[in-house]
Amino acid sequence: ILNVEQSPQSLHVQEGDSTNFTCSFPSSNFYALHWYRWETAKSPEALFVMTLNGDEKKKGRISATLNTKEGYSYLYIKGSQPEDSATYLCASGYSTLTFGKGTMLLVSP
Amino acid sequence: GAVVSQHPSWVICKSGTSVKIECRSLDFQATTMFWYRQFPKQSLMLMATSNEGSKATYEQGVEKDKFLINHASLTLSTLTVTSAHPEDSSFYICSANSGPGLAGLETQYFGPGTRLLVL
Repeated sequence: ILNVEQSPQSLHVQEGDSTNFTCSFPSSNFYALHWYRWETAKSPEALFVMTLNGDEKKKGRISATLNTKEGYSYLYIKGSQPEDSATYLCASGYSTLTFGKGTMLLVSP
Repeated sequence: GAVVSQHPSWVICKSGTSVKIECRSLDFQATTMFWYRQFPKQSLMLMATSNEGSKATYEQGVEKDKFLINHASLTLSTLTVTSAHPEDSSFYICSANSGPGLAGLETQYFGPGTRLLVL
């Protein structure tokens, strides 16, 4: 059974704070790690897909790292803004994905 | 690009009725579509994978006669919850896969989901 865990479950920060959260996954039979951003009442939006150990991806103020040997990925948001408020999901897999429960981020002005 | 629509966004029905949910890829052809279900405070759980023109592959514990999936074209998949009961009340969300991109990676593009309440 493939379990994907995310922490923390929720996070409340002030505008301008930098933050990060964790996704852990079984390192055996790893193929790819996906990060999604999911705003309320909208579709989950794909942020990153990573496969290589040590990989780092960046999209604006958001970046992610990947450690496939120990089975974790970090998502970083630099200088959080209220519009970053969303649930951030990670998922492991190739075409069939196993999702974590997500980290709900709230950024207050 | 890569927009997936889902209809309806919410539905309330009486116990025993059937409910059909549509998932459409609007600007790309989806080789594969996926149906997920999410209960409160839980993760998205894959129910089934469907490929155009073939029978869906259901995950363990998902009743194929209860959750009928039809993937008649490369842009449309439907999920029908037959004889719905209160325990079927949940959030149902679909995704579509446009096929391998760079380095063979496949990204799933999600619809906005359908909230089903069975009374």
